[in-house]
Amino acid sequence: QKEVEQNSGPLSVPEGAIASLNCTYSDRGSQSFFWYRQYSGKSPELIMSIYSNGDKEDGRFTAQLNKASQYVSLLIRDSQPSDSATYLCAVNRTNNDMRFGAGTRLTVKP
Amino acid sequence: EPEVTQTPSHQVTQMGQEVILRCVPISNHLYFYWYRQILGQKVEFLVSFYNNEISEKSEIFDDQFSVERPDGSNFTLKIRSTKLEDSAMYFCASHIGLAATDTQYFGPGTRLTVL
Repeated sequence: QKEVEQNSGPLSVPEGAIASLNCTYSDRGSQSFFWYRQYSGKSPELIMSIYSNGDKEDGRFTAQLNKASQYVSLLIRDSQPSDSATYLCAVNRTNNDMRFGAGTRLTVKP
Repeated sequence: EPEVTQTPSHQVTQMGQEVILRCVPISNHLYFYWYRQILGQKVEFLVSFYNNEISEKSEIFDDQFSVERPDGSNFTLKIRSTKLEDSAMYFCASHIGLAATDTQYFGPGTRLTVL
């Protein structure tokens, strides 16, 4: 079983719509969860972090965590063409390592 | 705003040669990391470093790899004898190290091309 799984996409949504990105993880001891955005050829850029069950909102972004289901999601409201990128789910098990999913490629069409 | 820096941005080398990739983590951060991303593939954890020693390493981080913090600011990744399959983007990251919930900040990466 992969440590962190994401649907590779591509996910295509029209401008202004809600984009929903999902991630599952295998290690129940995982403590913190991150969503990074990565443009082609660039380094990962932190979008959101979440540590407790429930929702966390930051502007147009909402992260959701359900530790019982080992599931993390990211909602992007009012999607913009500039949101087009690969979204990486990352899970931190300890201070010592972070494991990434393969990423979901999002395209927002004008 | 403080940021992680990496040099060089692009390194081209011949198979079998040694390369050293350099990183300057954010100054008050205590944990340092190297990740690798082969073109079109996921970001893969290589190694974490704390208190001048390796904290954890992945199965990728074999005897060909080593890390060092030679002074108070630099953090280096050495690949002793490069192989074609070492061609990838290498990202350095750091975090302040107070808790596992702290955010890791990534540098811009070094693209390594092994010919």
